[in-house]
Amino acid sequence: DGGITQSPKYLFRKEGQNVTLSCEQNLNHDAMYWYRQDPGQGLRLIYYSQIVNDFQKGDIAEGYSVSREKKESFPLTVTSAQKNPTAFYLCASSPRQGYGYTFGSGTRLTVV
Amino acid sequence: AQTVTQSQPEMSVQEAETVTLSCTYDTSESDYYLFWYKQPPSRQMILVIRQEAYKQQNATENRFSVNFQKAAKSFSLKISDSQLGDAAMYFCAYRAPHRDDKIIFGKGTRLHILP
Repeated sequence: DGGITQSPKYLFRKEGQNVTLSCEQNLNHDAMYWYRQDPGQGLRLIYYSQIVNDFQKGDIAEGYSVSREKKESFPLTVTSAQKNPTAFYLCASSPRQGYGYTFGSGTRLTVV
Repeated sequence: AQTVTQSQPEMSVQEAETVTLSCTYDTSESDYYLFWYKQPPSRQMILVIRQEAYKQQNATENRFSVNFQKAAKSFSLKISDSQLGDAAMYFCAYRAPHRDDKIIFGKGTRLHILP
């Protein structure tokens, strides 16, 4: 079955460490997205990519980095520059032009 | 900039009753798409319903229907015959395909179903 796989489901990070969240899709979707979800904040866009080897900053890109070397994969790195990384992270993908997103099941990141 | 506003942070409805969740949005575009997403306690985001702005007919999906008022920029979700499994956070969302091509989400409405 086609879908989006995020891993790991739970991730713990020590302060000062970089961590990478994985997102893989087999839906043949062109566009992929990373959102952060905090209580009362809804979903906020971190980065998105509409094509391989290209990506754009979203509303809260500071302290994050991404790559898009393959159509299927869009990993997110949370760097030590991100001041408050504890949150729920959602990856999504979409065919172009007006369709809704298909979401992964999310990664809960906690700084310890 | 486009914005999506959900004015009801929480709502409750009796099982088997009907409930309407409100959503307004702001845009200068004429061609766009609107969505309602459901996020149950599992936190998996599920697309409930989709509306194309150029279509006057309101979208329906089984017990879920929308009231799309383009001039008023309003997009409410009606859930009929509410069931315990409908308890979730509901997000209204907007997408303009010819601009940044990204979806903008409201802050959500938490819906409680009372048995």
